[in-house]
Amino acid sequence: NAGVMQNPRHLVRRRGQEARLRCSPMKGHSHVYWYRQLPEEGLKFMVYLQKENIIDESGMPKERFSAEFPKEGPSILRIQQVVRGDSAAYFCASSQKQGENTEAFFGQGTRLTVV
Amino acid sequence: AQKITQTQPGMFVQEKEAVTLDCTYDTSDPSYGLFWYKQPSSGEMIFLIYQGSYDQQNATEGRYSLNFQKARKSANLVISASQLGDSAMYFCAMREVNTGNQFYFGTGTSLTVIP
Repeated sequence: NAGVMQNPRHLVRRRGQEARLRCSPMKGHSHVYWYRQLPEEGLKFMVYLQKENIIDESGMPKERFSAEFPKEGPSILRIQQVVRGDSAAYFCASSQKQGENTEAFFGQGTRLTVV
Repeated sequence: AQKITQTQPGMFVQEKEAVTLDCTYDTSDPSYGLFWYKQPSSGEMIFLIYQGSYDQQNATEGRYSLNFQKARKSANLVISASQLGDSAMYFCAMREVNTGNQFYFGTGTSLTVIP
């Protein structure tokens, strides 16, 4: 049973380019969370999605960032016109269902570097 | 207000000794879960232990135990018999059932085990 798969593991983009980060949740998981981690900091919530629906995007910057979780295929976090401040580790987590006792399983993260 | 507070940016412990990592939380939701994750230098997030708000007993998982004091809103992680491989960042997290289901993370505690 494969865990949460994120790709690419490392991504380098020039300022102004687009970054696409992919997350395949664990088998049977329909809830996906995206987090951003700046160096030496904790995880900051970005967005929570269920299949085809955005449930909570309160942590997403209003511009340039978008996320989707289509019926088929991985969840995508898209960053348009990247800037140096977007450089961070982006983690995806998935869980099986809602509920206070449902832990989230994390992918290994995508480390985005904007040059 | 911060949902999760970890006041210890860095901790040191002698190998084979026990160590307590502090975590306090803030919520008005009567139904919530508390989680601890470990992030080694390789970057992945590893789930360690879970405590539910209605659980009467403290959670234990091998060398990990959670000292849950509901009235004080604290959920400290205790690691017994520390090993060199325990050196990592440790994050406390909370999930509220009735308000969005997202995970809130603290800023983390860096633990170093000294041989």
